[in-house]
Formats: sequence, C-alpha cells, structure tokens
Amino acid sequence: GAGVSQSPRYKVAKRGQDVALRCDPISGHVSLFWYQQALGQGPEFLTYFQNEAQLDKSGLPSDRFFAERPEGSVSTLKIQRTQQEDSAVYLCASSVGLAGFNEQFFGPGTRLTVL
Amino acid sequence: RKEVEQDPGPFNVPEGATVAFNCTYSNSASQSFFWYRQDCRKEPKLLMSVYSSGNEDGRFTAQLNRASQYISLLIRDSKLSDSATYLCVVIYSSASKIIFGSGTRLSIRP
Repeated sequence: GAGVSQSPRYKVAKRGQDVALRCDPISGHVSLFWYQQALGQGPEFLTYFQNEAQLDKSGLPSDRFFAERPEGSVSTLKIQRTQQEDSAVYLCASSVGLAGFNEQFFGPGTRLTVL
Repeated sequence: RKEVEQDPGPFNVPEGATVAFNCTYSNSASQSFFWYRQDCRKEPKLLMSVYSSGNEDGRFTAQLNRASQYISLLIRDSKLSDSATYLCVVIYSSASKIIFGSGTRLSIRP
C-alpha cells in the first residue's frame, strides 16, 4: 500500500523566497506531524495535527512557519521569507492513533536548501 | 542539558558482535519510548517500542530504567545490515511533546 509521500523531494530557494512543502499521509491516519532535521541531528518536532485541528505548534521556530491540514488529510508546511538557517530536511509523519503514542510512518522528506 | 541525549558514536563493531547503547532523558513525566532506525539519507522507521518490563524482538532487546531515566538497545549477533543511525524517541505526558535524540551511529564491519 501507499506510504506517506512528500513533495517536492528537493527544493532550492533564494533567501527571502516563500516555499510550500506538501505531505500526503497514509489514508485514514488521524495524526500528522512535521519535523525539521538538520544534518547529523535527530528530527525536531515542529507541529502536530489531529485530523484538521492543529493541536500543537510549539515547535515552529518563528512566525514565518505556518502549517495547515484543512480537510484532515493532505498537509502543507509553508515557510515565508526563507533564511539560510531554514535549510534542512523537512519530514512529515502520520499515525493511525492519537498523538505520538503509536508508530509514526515517515515520508521521504523534502530537502530544502536556501541560498 | 538536552532533554534526550544519546552518544553520537560512531560505534564500529565486527559482524557477529553484541553492541548496546543507551539514551537518557531528563523529564520524569515521560510516558512512551521508542527506538527508530534511520539509514543514510532515508526516513526514520520504527524499530521497536520500549515497554517497562523490557521487550525483545529477535536479535534486538529494549529496556527501560525509569529510576535512572534511560532506555537501552541491545543488538546481538550484529549483521552488516544493522549499520544505521539509531534514534531514541521520548514522548511526554502532553502527548504531542515528542523528543527525538540526535541518534547513535552504528557501523558493522565484515
């Protein structure tokens, strides 16, 4: 069956440009997570959705970061006015249960490079 | 001090050896614990959950020590295919508070 998919897989942006990263979770998965992973580090939690409700956005590093999941399935992470420090792999994960207590299935990530 | 800490390694061990590494956490309110495996340039994948009583899955054994606030992963009879980064995950009582460690790199040599 289909797993979690993300697009684009690679994105190069000029500093100051806005970007939008898409995540298609596994069908029927209630929970959706976004993480940021820098080279040599573990994933850092950004935000969590339960269906369409964004229950936790405490990990978003600044107000330039915005995420939505309007219909409780596909999610978009938007970064406005990108900065070099935003360069990282952005991972999306989904889970059948609530919060993080169940196995999370990760997508392949979007590698963002800001020049 | 980081909330979840792992020895970054790399651990370089011969095939067939037994290797173990720990992950310490600072918040005693932690509720759930997992080990994920991440291959180079790939996404993390669940290796195993960690239960209070300890659990085993084939060559892998995970244990939780709440008193000392650490979890451990033991790999027996290591295979070349075990080479990867192992990430511990700690979830706090607020449910959506999910903390990944920075990972321990393991390299198995022939």
